[in-house]
Amino acid sequence: EVQLVESGGGLVKPGRSLRLSCATSGFTFGDYAVSWFRQAPGKGLEWVGFIRSKAYGGTTEYAASVKGRFPISRDDSKSIAYLQMNSLKTEDTAVYYCTRAPGITMVRGRRYYFDYWGRGTLVTVSS
Amino acid sequence: QSVLTQPPSASGTPGQRVTISCSGSSSNIGSNYVYWYQQLPGTAPKLLIYTINQRPSGVPDRFSGSKSGTSASLAISGLRSEDEADYYCATWDDSLSGPVFGGGTKLTVL
Repeated sequence: EVQLVESGGGLVKPGRSLRLSCATSGFTFGDYAVSWFRQAPGKGLEWVGFIRSKAYGGTTEYAASVKGRFPISRDDSKSIAYLQMNSLKTEDTAVYYCTRAPGITMVRGRRYYFDYWGRGTLVTVSS
Repeated sequence: QSVLTQPPSASGTPGQRVTISCSGSSSNIGSNYVYWYQQLPGTAPKLLIYTINQRPSGVPDRFSGSKSGTSASLAISGLRSEDEADYYCATWDDSLSGPVFGGGTKLTVL
């Protein structure tokens, strides 16, 4: 059974840092990209970023709202992905989800979708 | 403001067929697959439809997806009370080089 479990959320002051972890099981972690999303209270889903598998360079892409602040990394030996959240702002308050991201190679390039989601971890940024 | 446009709400009675629309542009829906996610109250999103009209194992065939040009639709037939949830469409955007989502449609079963 595919499982993703986020951890590391909590209450943090503006300007501080927090690192979220996404522990996975039930699939070959190294074969997949992993993506992070967030959902502010009462709002819709917002893509945060993703990290490709090593076969596709292990490179990362980010939403403009977090680029330069939220680096994503992965440890294939532990089947864990990380979201490092720096210079946090009150508007970063949300439930953060990690997802498995299968890729599809199309004419214009490789595209990803998100088939399994963790239950999420709440991050509250407040003074 | 979401890149993809969905109606904020939809409703139907048990047994009815309802559709939820999703409008985009040539750089997203017009040139990529469309996905639909279901989010039951208080839970994480769940993949409902992938690559326009494929269902993951366990998703009933009451759910179906379609796409035409720069728009897509999710149809739910034989509506049931347990279908009450938020539904999100998603796709890739070639201009943004990343995934984009609709704002979500809250489905109420009357």
